[in-house]
Amino acid sequence: DVKVTQSSRYLVKRTGEKVFLECVQDMDHENMFWYRQDPGLGLRLIYFSYDVKMKEKGDIPEGYSVSREKKERFSLILESASTNQTSMYLCATSVITDTQYFGPGTRLTVL
Amino acid sequence: KQEVTQIPAALSVPEGENLVLNCSFTDSAIYNLQWFRQDPGKGLTSLLLIQSSQREQTSGRLNASLDKSSGRSTLYIAASQPGDSATYLCAVGLFGNEKLTFGTGTRLTIIP
Repeated sequence: DVKVTQSSRYLVKRTGEKVFLECVQDMDHENMFWYRQDPGLGLRLIYFSYDVKMKEKGDIPEGYSVSREKKERFSLILESASTNQTSMYLCATSVITDTQYFGPGTRLTVL
Repeated sequence: KQEVTQIPAALSVPEGENLVLNCSFTDSAIYNLQWFRQDPGKGLTSLLLIQSSQREQTSGRLNASLDKSSGRSTLYIAASQPGDSATYLCAVGLFGNEKLTFGTGTRLTIIP
C-alpha cells in the first residue's frame, strides 16, 4: 500500500511566521503535489514536482514556495503566513498513468 | 480553462437505494477522469479511474461512466450503505496525470 504522511494534522501559527509543511511518501513516486482545500472552492493546486529539485507552479502559487531535495520528501513553505492562508493542505503523489494518492491533510490556522 | 461541476452539492438517500452522482466538465480533451471519496477531515481516497479511451469502470458496488463528447461522467452506487456517507469528488486530467482539476464535490448522506 502507498503511504503518504504529512508532518502535522493540526497546526496553529501567527501572522508573519514562516511555516513548513512536510510530506513524505514511501513508494518512489516521481510526482508530488500540494493542494489547498477550502469550502466552496474545492481543491486547488499550489505547486507540483515531477522530479528531485524540479517544481512547477499550480493555479495558486502566490505566497507559497516548495522544496524537493529528496525524491520521497516534498515541503511546502509559507514565507510569511497570513490569515487568508488558513486552510486544509493536502499532499498527493503519483506515477504517470496512475491515480494520485493523498495524505491525511494538515489543517492550518493562522491567527 | 477546464471547469468541473458537481451537482447537487449535497444528497440524502435512504439505505439500500441505488443512486447516481453527476460530474460535468467543459473541455472534452481530457486524458482521464477520476472519482475520489473524502471522509470528514481526512484526505482523499481514489475510487475509480477512467482513461479517455474507456467508457466505464467498475469496482464492487461502484460503476463510473464517461461520455467525453458531452462532457459528463456519472458515479453509480448500488445498494447504498451508511458507510457510503462521504463527500465524492471527481477530477479531470488534461495532460498525463500531472495536473488534475477537481469539482467541489457532492456530500452524500445515507440514512439508516
